[in-house]
Amino acid sequence: GQNIDQPTEMTATEGAIVQINCTYQTSGFNGLFWYQQHAGEAPTFLSYNVLDGLEEKGRFSSFLSRSKGYSYLLLKELQMKDSASYLCAVRDHTDKLIFGTGTRLQVFP
Amino acid sequence: ETGVTQTPRHLVMGMTNKKSLKCEQHLGHNAMYWYKQSAKKPLELMFVYNFKEQTENNSVPSRFSPECPNSSHLFLHLHTLQPEDSALYLCASSPLTSQDSYEQYFGPGTRLTVT
Repeated sequence: GQNIDQPTEMTATEGAIVQINCTYQTSGFNGLFWYQQHAGEAPTFLSYNVLDGLEEKGRFSSFLSRSKGYSYLLLKELQMKDSASYLCAVRDHTDKLIFGTGTRLQVFP
Repeated sequence: ETGVTQTPRHLVMGMTNKKSLKCEQHLGHNAMYWYKQSAKKPLELMFVYNFKEQTENNSVPSRFSPECPNSSHLFLHLHTLQPEDSALYLCASSPLTSQDSYEQYFGPGTRLTVT
């Protein structure tokens, strides 16, 4: 079966660093995506990893280890506006996106 | 501004009603998708259209009927729905290119409540 696991909820303080983990077991692997979704809004693309290693984009970084079926999203210098759900998704061998349930992050002042 | 719009944003319908959800993308993409997002569940892929042709029907009940008249428009026709169909219905589009990182662009969704 296909399975994407990520924590349901996390909390952090403004200015801090938070790491959101994602583990996956899927039928094939053609890349891993992270999306951000604010309440009542569309998911928006954050990052894409297909090779092992770290991809950095401003305050956000995403890491992938294909051998471990593991990724994380790292958010630095947290801001209140970063409070949102973060969705991990894997593209399988049919090019379908398989999503996790999302991690709801709350940032406190 | 995501380039993908959905109407209506909110819909309340009875189980005997017939309604349609509309999605339009202004990004020149060739693939469009319908997803269902229920509370505490992963996004579930429902239908995929590539170049107006349906390429995926993810075991969706026949009370949901998609229509894709052209590459920019996608509809989801609803009839005799059940209360468990209440959810956020998201439309997405993506380019069909040889690039690996062709991410999907999502619309804001239609919040559907079936009474």
